[in-house]
Amino acid sequence: DTEVTQTPKHLVMGMTNKKSLKCEQHMGHRAMYWYKQKAKKPPELMFVYSYEKLSINESVPSRFSPECPNSSLLNLHLHALQPEDSALYLCASSQDPSGGARETQYFGPGTRLLVL
Amino acid sequence: DAKTTQPPSMDCAEGRAANLPCNHSTISGNEYVYWYRQIHSQGPQYIIHGLKNNETNEMASLIITEDRKSSTLILPHATLRDTAVYYCIVRPNFSDDKIIFGKGTRLHILP
Repeated sequence: DTEVTQTPKHLVMGMTNKKSLKCEQHMGHRAMYWYKQKAKKPPELMFVYSYEKLSINESVPSRFSPECPNSSLLNLHLHALQPEDSALYLCASSQDPSGGARETQYFGPGTRLLVL
Repeated sequence: DAKTTQPPSMDCAEGRAANLPCNHSTISGNEYVYWYRQIHSQGPQYIIHGLKNNETNEMASLIITEDRKSSTLILPHATLRDTAVYYCIVRPNFSDDKIIFGKGTRLHILP
């Protein structure tokens, strides 16, 4: 089973709201990722967690705050977002963070976020 | 930046083989070629990957030229459900978890 689940599927929030996106995998993967995808554009990497520690932050604004409470769960906390942050937010996981390109990343279905 | 070049769109008749080309002329010896696809409003789906040799799985075949500067993804019997954006990605084989997506090829399967 190569399933990554994400909740919620859709989220509408105002610019003053605080919300969280959730990602879960039960494949024993030790690397987890957040990507952002604007309409008609390819996904762009935001964060990488390796063994529950943040290893890559692609200069993402601080209004996005990732959290990895355990090896199966990844959250993305959202606060004071702007309308231009509206996008599809994708989570992915891979088995071994040290495996480089030998490790396949598996993606979840995404959360479609609309910021009003 | 993405290290691959793909045609922006292609059409293929249902039931025929879909051959999607990818140019990666600057690929180096330890870099893998990966293919993902993304069906509308879904997350990217892993298809196949390879280093030097041709690869085949239940979804597709990957043909890599001998000089490794280009590759072709083959969907042997395309169906309407194969309509998607197909991404060819080059990933270095060191401890780097990044996937950099290019613009991909939008494949239309025609009934």
